[in-house]
Amino acid sequence: DAGVTQSPTHLIKTRGQHVTLRCSPISGHKSVSWYQQVLGQGPQFIFQYYEKEERGRGNFPDRFSARQFPNYSSELNVNALLLGDSALYLCASSLLGTDTQYFGPGTRLTVL
Amino acid sequence: QQQVKQSPQSLIVQKGGISIINCAYENTAFDYFPWYQQFPGKGPALLIAIRPDVSEKKEGRFTISFNKSAKQFSLHIMDSQPGDSATYFCAASKGRTGTASKLTFGTGTRLQVTL
Repeated sequence: DAGVTQSPTHLIKTRGQHVTLRCSPISGHKSVSWYQQVLGQGPQFIFQYYEKEERGRGNFPDRFSARQFPNYSSELNVNALLLGDSALYLCASSLLGTDTQYFGPGTRLTVL
Repeated sequence: QQQVKQSPQSLIVQKGGISIINCAYENTAFDYFPWYQQFPGKGPALLIAIRPDVSEKKEGRFTISFNKSAKQFSLHIMDSQPGDSATYFCAASKGRTGTASKLTFGTGTRLQVTL
């Protein structure tokens, strides 16, 4: 079975632009979470969605938004990009009723 | 506020040796403690996880030791191999809530296993 997939793999944007990152969870997983991992640090929680509703939000500004689609895939949107948004953006999926989260390979975002 | 503290920041172990990474947490509501392994350019991969109702869990060469009263847990990698060279993250979450809760990660330990 395929694991969590994310697209694109790499992305280069300039300050002020907008970006959309995409995630497809493992088949059967209905919960998707997004994390930001700055180089040299542990991942930081951004959002969790399941059953297409936001279930949790981390300490990130309103420039960050997300949504989940009927097929349980998800998008993370970041507006008005700042240099500090440069990071690896990770998506994780999980089965409802379990605690284990499985991570995708991430999208490397570079803001110039 | 860092809720999960991890040490050491980096670790060099000879092949065949034991690698030990320690974590301490503050939030007593945490009750699910996974360890993840991450290779450069890749996403974190789950290694092993434990709940506070057991003091130790072993899977192959990987063992988690858990001390609930001290709010500490550690990862032991027995017979460390060069292929184990990676960054290891401990994490914690409030488990058993119906779905996986947000993970709070430690700062990571870069392990290098030398020949």
